[in-house]
Amino acid sequence: GAVVSQHPSWVICKSGTSVKIECRSLDFQATTMFWYRQFPKQSLMLMATSNEGSKATYEQGVEKDKFLINHASLTLSTLTVTSAHPEDSSFYICSAREATGQGGEKLFFGSGTQLSVL
Amino acid sequence: SQKIEQNSEALNIQEGKTATLTCNYTNYSPAYLQWYRQDPGRGPVFLLLIRENEKEKRKERLKVTFDTTLKQSLFHITASQPADSATYLCALDLDGNNRLAFGKGNQVVVIP
Repeated sequence: GAVVSQHPSWVICKSGTSVKIECRSLDFQATTMFWYRQFPKQSLMLMATSNEGSKATYEQGVEKDKFLINHASLTLSTLTVTSAHPEDSSFYICSAREATGQGGEKLFFGSGTQLSVL
Repeated sequence: SQKIEQNSEALNIQEGKTATLTCNYTNYSPAYLQWYRQDPGRGPVFLLLIRENEKEKRKERLKVTFDTTLKQSLFHITASQPADSATYLCALDLDGNNRLAFGKGNQVVVIP
C-alpha cells in the first residue's frame, strides 16, 4: 500500500523557535495533503488542507501565520510551527490522499511528530 | 453543535470473541464514514470506508455497518486476537473531499 513518511518523529525545542515537519508520499503523488494535531486522549483535529501549488486552506481557529504550510511538490508538504510555545506541544500528523477515482478516497497517514516545546 | 461520540471506556474482550464498537454522530450528514486503527504514538491506519448508500461493508475479520437514520456506525472485529488491541477511530468525511472529523477513539484490549 501507499506509504507516507513523516519526519522528524519527535522534536524538542525551546520556546520562541520555529520547527519544520516534513510529510512525503513515497510511492504515489499527492495533490492534497492534510495536517492534524492530536492532544493526549483527544481526537485528531484537522488543522489545514494542503494543496500542491496553491495556498493551504486552514480550519476555523487555526492561525495561518503560526502554522505555515508549503506544498511545493506532488510528494512533499511541510508544516512549520513558528515561534513555538509550550501550548503548541502536541502530536502532529499528516495524511495524503491516493486518488482512486471513486470519491471518498482513503487517506494514508504519516507516523506523526511529537513536538515538545520547553 | 456537531459531535462524534465513541465510547470512552476501553473494551476488554476475550480472545476469539467479537468486539463491537459504536460511533454516533449528531448534526452531520456525511457522504462517507471511515474507520481507522491507531496504535500508541503512531498515525492512524485506514481500515474500512462505507458510503451513505451502503448498509454494510466487510474486510476479512472486520465488519462495518452504517445507519444514516440512526446516525450510527457499528464496527465489529470477529475472532479477535491480541494483535487487534489498539484504539479504533471513527471518522466522518465532512464534504466528500477527505476533510475528516474524528471521534476520540475507543480502545480495545484483547485478552489472551
